[in-house]
Amino acid sequence: NAGVTQTPKFQVLKTGQSMTLQCAQDMNHNSMYWYRQDPGMGLRLIYYSASEGTTDKGEVPNGYNVSRLNKREFSLRLESAAPSQTSVYFCASSGRERGGTLAKNIQYFGAGTRLSVL
Amino acid sequence: AQTVTQSQPEMSVQEAETVTLSCTYDTSESNYYLFWYKQPPSRQMILVIRQEAYKQQNATENRFSVNFQKAAKSFSLKISDSQLGDTAMYFCAFMKHVLPPSAGGTSYGKLTFGQGTILTVHP
Repeated sequence: NAGVTQTPKFQVLKTGQSMTLQCAQDMNHNSMYWYRQDPGMGLRLIYYSASEGTTDKGEVPNGYNVSRLNKREFSLRLESAAPSQTSVYFCASSGRERGGTLAKNIQYFGAGTRLSVL
Repeated sequence: AQTVTQSQPEMSVQEAETVTLSCTYDTSESNYYLFWYKQPPSRQMILVIRQEAYKQQNATENRFSVNFQKAAKSFSLKISDSQLGDTAMYFCAFMKHVLPPSAGGTSYGKLTFGQGTILTVHP
């Protein structure tokens, strides 16, 4: 099982360019999240989707947009990239555990996307 | 808003020895979850251990255990019999309790992370 899959793994952009980071999960989770990780800091929440059809801002949403395309997929878009958005981006999902009846609020993470904006 | 503080930027330990990583948090919530995640050089975020605040018993997972002091808002991670594969960045994280889901319902929570502690295990 793949778990949480992020594409691309690496990307270099010029200031002002746009791009979309893709995320898909195969665990039938209701909730999905986007975080960014900067050097010397923990992960910070950008946006989240509690369930299909809903999205909400996290701690650092400025400069980003998201789309919950369906239950499996949650994309993050940078409309006009800035050097301050150079970071590692992680997608995560949570929901009912496989084979279980309760959700344990455990978030499962993708492998991350390293983005550089020049 | 919740804050999580890891006061040890770096730690080192000899293989087979025991090491404890510190974490403190600040919250006005009474029900919440606490987590330790491991991030090896591969960058993958891996769950190490999880603690529910309403449980007084400290969580354990094989060589990993926690010392959860709710009144002191402290949540330290003890790694016993350290192995070379334990070398990684370790993050402490807080999640506010969410209502349990109804059948087929949704459960979610937003994680607040500490700054991380780099642990190096030496042979």
